[in-house]
Amino acid sequence: GAGVSQSPSNKVTEKGKDVELRCDPISGHTALYWYRQRLGQGLEFLIYFQGNSAPDKSGLPSDRFSAERTGESVSTLTIQRTQQEDSAVYLCASSPRGLSSPLHFGNGTRLTVT
Amino acid sequence: DQQVKQNSPSLSVQEGRISILNCDYTNSMFDYFLWYKKYPAEGPTFLISISSIKDKNEDGRFTVFLNKSAKHLSLHIVPSQPGDSAVYFCAASRGYNFNKFYFGSGTKLNVKP
Repeated sequence: GAGVSQSPSNKVTEKGKDVELRCDPISGHTALYWYRQRLGQGLEFLIYFQGNSAPDKSGLPSDRFSAERTGESVSTLTIQRTQQEDSAVYLCASSPRGLSSPLHFGNGTRLTVT
Repeated sequence: DQQVKQNSPSLSVQEGRISILNCDYTNSMFDYFLWYKKYPAEGPTFLISISSIKDKNEDGRFTVFLNKSAKHLSLHIVPSQPGDSAVYFCAASRGYNFNKFYFGSGTKLNVKP
């Protein structure tokens, strides 16, 4: 079965440009998470979606960051007017409905802002 | 404010010996804990979990211990193998519902042949 798929795997962009990162969760997984890992650091929570509930956006670092999710499928993370400090690996994870379940991660999108 | 901490950024162990990775947390409301393993250029993969009603969970060579009073958990790998060389993250969440998972900063394990 397919795992969590993220695209692109790598993205190099100029400072000030907008970028859009995509995540295809595992089919049937109702929860979807975005995390960020900067070089040498741990995973930083950004946002999570659970079904049709309002997303938990408490981890988004600024209003330049936004994310959407269509139902229980694809999610996109958009970063507007990128800055060099946005350079990181952006990881998407999904989780099935039910009692505490581990997250299934994609391979991430490595974003480099020049 | 980091609620989950891994104070050892790296650990080196000889093949066949025990690897012990440690993790501390500050939020006493956390009741579900996980360990993930991450290879370069890949996403983290789930390794083992433990709920707060237990103090030990074992899966093959991997055992997780939870000390709630000390707010401490550890991952034991016995015997360690070179293929175990990776970055290990501990994570915690609160409640048996969908919540944020808080991750530590990771410990890079190197198992020497």
